[in-house]
Amino acid sequence: SQQGEEDPQALSIQEGENATMNCSYKTSINNLQWYRQNSGRGLVHLILIRSNEREKHSGRLRVTLDTSKKSSSLLITASRAADTASYFCATDAGSGNTPLVFGKGTRLSVIA
Amino acid sequence: KAGVTQTPRYLIKTRGQQVTLSCSPISGHRSVSWYQQTPGQGLQFLFEYFSETQRNKGNFPGRFSGRQFSNSRSEMNVSTLELGDSALYLCASSILAGVRDTQYFGPGTRLTVL
Repeated sequence: SQQGEEDPQALSIQEGENATMNCSYKTSINNLQWYRQNSGRGLVHLILIRSNEREKHSGRLRVTLDTSKKSSSLLITASRAADTASYFCATDAGSGNTPLVFGKGTRLSVIA
Repeated sequence: KAGVTQTPRYLIKTRGQQVTLSCSPISGHRSVSWYQQTPGQGLQFLFEYFSETQRNKGNFPGRFSGRQFSNSRSEMNVSTLELGDSALYLCASSILAGVRDTQYFGPGTRLTVL
């Protein structure tokens, strides 16, 4: 089963609105990453948040991490049509050399 | 600095054939990881190579193999193709060993098995 599960599976908003996506995971982690994928292309790294951090910003992106609830959220403010993409969270399992595990993503559509 | 490149971008094969995909990492990156992406299973980790050694392997059958060359370029091979191998194969590179580091992805190779 997936370590990270994004919610919702799909989200449609108007340009200028904020978009919030959530990620829940099952086991302890060292860090959590968010990636974006435009249709059928490679993934682009957005932001990495470590387990001892609670919030991180990058431009219009804000990521929060709640390790007690094993969840993270990605907020995109003032969305643009160009933000239309799938967004994935990726977690490591916290011990050893285990690989990143990706969720199945949230498909965001921003309507102009 | 050039990004991760993958060749070919598209491939069509028939069942039973084999295929080799190539990945050139970002200059200076010594770790290369491979992922398979399908609509049903999402992104699944195949393997990671660092300094020509396989450091980690996902839960895929032995038909999936890979290697890394001294210049960090990597290839993956899938033998005896099955219909279920149709997928987008993504390669990612990173500076450090261990796939927990930030991954820089290539555009992918779209493999269709008929």
